[in-house]
Amino acid sequence: QQQVKQSPQSLIVQKGGIPIINCAYENTAFDYFPWYQQFPGKGPALLIAIRPDVSEKKEGRFTISFNKSAKQFSLHIMDSQPGDSATYFCAANSWGKLQFGAGTQVVVTP
Amino acid sequence: EPEVTQTPSHQVTQMGQEVILRCVPISNHLYFYWYRQILGQKVEFLVSFYNNEISEKSEIFDDQFSVERPDGSNFTLKIRSTKLEDSAMYFCASSDNHSGANVLTFGAGSRLTVL
Repeated sequence: QQQVKQSPQSLIVQKGGIPIINCAYENTAFDYFPWYQQFPGKGPALLIAIRPDVSEKKEGRFTISFNKSAKQFSLHIMDSQPGDSATYFCAANSWGKLQFGAGTQVVVTP
Repeated sequence: EPEVTQTPSHQVTQMGQEVILRCVPISNHLYFYWYRQILGQKVEFLVSFYNNEISEKSEIFDDQFSVERPDGSNFTLKIRSTKLEDSAMYFCASSDNHSGANVLTFGAGSRLTVL
């Protein structure tokens, strides 16, 4: 049972473009929705997170949009840079148990 | 910045052997976790640990797996008799909160290769 569905699987954008990654969840008990960034050979690192009582959160060039009624949330990377090339995972938390999406490999070309 | 440290970074073992992966969580954190990531797949929850006992475990965490906090700083994952399908990256994580704005800090991982 896939509790958090993430799309697309991969994404290629040019520098300055805006990659958008979408996630959908099923369990309404989830109370916290973090995004993790993972570089090859490294552990996931928290990038930005949102609670379900907020519709949007911005931190630097990263923005989360959250639609509670649709049970969907998305990550936008504004003015993307080659250094943003990584795998991005959305996740949903319920009592410390994170359910991860399948991941999106983002490539930002120079 | 505080970090979660894991050892070894890579371990190669023969099928059927016991493996212990070690983690040093962030010192003031109270909740500890193990996750795994099979190559090219998503990160999967294995187990959470609080107050010296397992809080929750997934169906992956069968009788071959165990966790322990042997002292005040280490948190270990033991696989009793490794199988080929145990080959994965194992991530330890810790947090100071269990719900709400629960921020897990992950270690760099231990890559386990079972031959």
